[in-house]
Amino acid sequence: DQQVKQNSPSLSVQEGRISILNCDYTNSMFDYFLWYKKYPAEGPTFLISISSIKDKNEDGRFTVFLNKSAKHLSLHIVPSQPGDSAVYFCAARGWSGAGSYQLTFGKGTKLSVIP
Amino acid sequence: GAGVSQSPSNKVTEKGKDVELRCDPISGHTALYWYRQRLGQGLEFLIYFQGNSAPDKSGLPSDRFSAERTGESVSTLTIQRTQQEDSAVYLCASSRQGASYEQYFGPGTRLTVT
Repeated sequence: DQQVKQNSPSLSVQEGRISILNCDYTNSMFDYFLWYKKYPAEGPTFLISISSIKDKNEDGRFTVFLNKSAKHLSLHIVPSQPGDSAVYFCAARGWSGAGSYQLTFGKGTKLSVIP
Repeated sequence: GAGVSQSPSNKVTEKGKDVELRCDPISGHTALYWYRQRLGQGLEFLIYFQGNSAPDKSGLPSDRFSAERTGESVSTLTIQRTQQEDSAVYLCASSRQGASYEQYFGPGTRLTVT
């Protein structure tokens, strides 16, 4: 079963507008949530994280919101720029039960920012 | 400083052959992770190394998959008797001890089994 879901495979946004990427999860034991950005032929790049005890974390143009009761998080990018065009992965950290923390990833959302 | 590097960047192999993939983590990062990304899917955890502790192998899909790491340096992921379903991008990541929430990824190795 998919513990981290990104239900929108793609999103198109006009340059300068807000991009909102969504992510839902099922495991209430996740303690950290992260967003990674991936360009073609490159590995994912860490973007921003949020602890499960917080509801908002901001870093420049990027803000992550966490709604624990709804098991939902979102990434807001304001203003969106053409260079933000990439695949965005939502990830959640949980205890593996085999002695380590593991990240569980969603399938990604491809963001296209139109100039 | 140098990021995580992986080699080869691409590998095409015939079904039934063994392959070995290499990962060089960021210097000073004690934790190392291997993931697999199949087409259209998210990243799938395979194995985790932390210093000299026993690795967490809970994500390895079959006994054809194994990985080694010497100390806190290079790691190799070996797939024996490759199958077509092994075709994927294999990603390596590293992190500082206790900072698994901030992993740094290499560019990946694209494996194609024909």
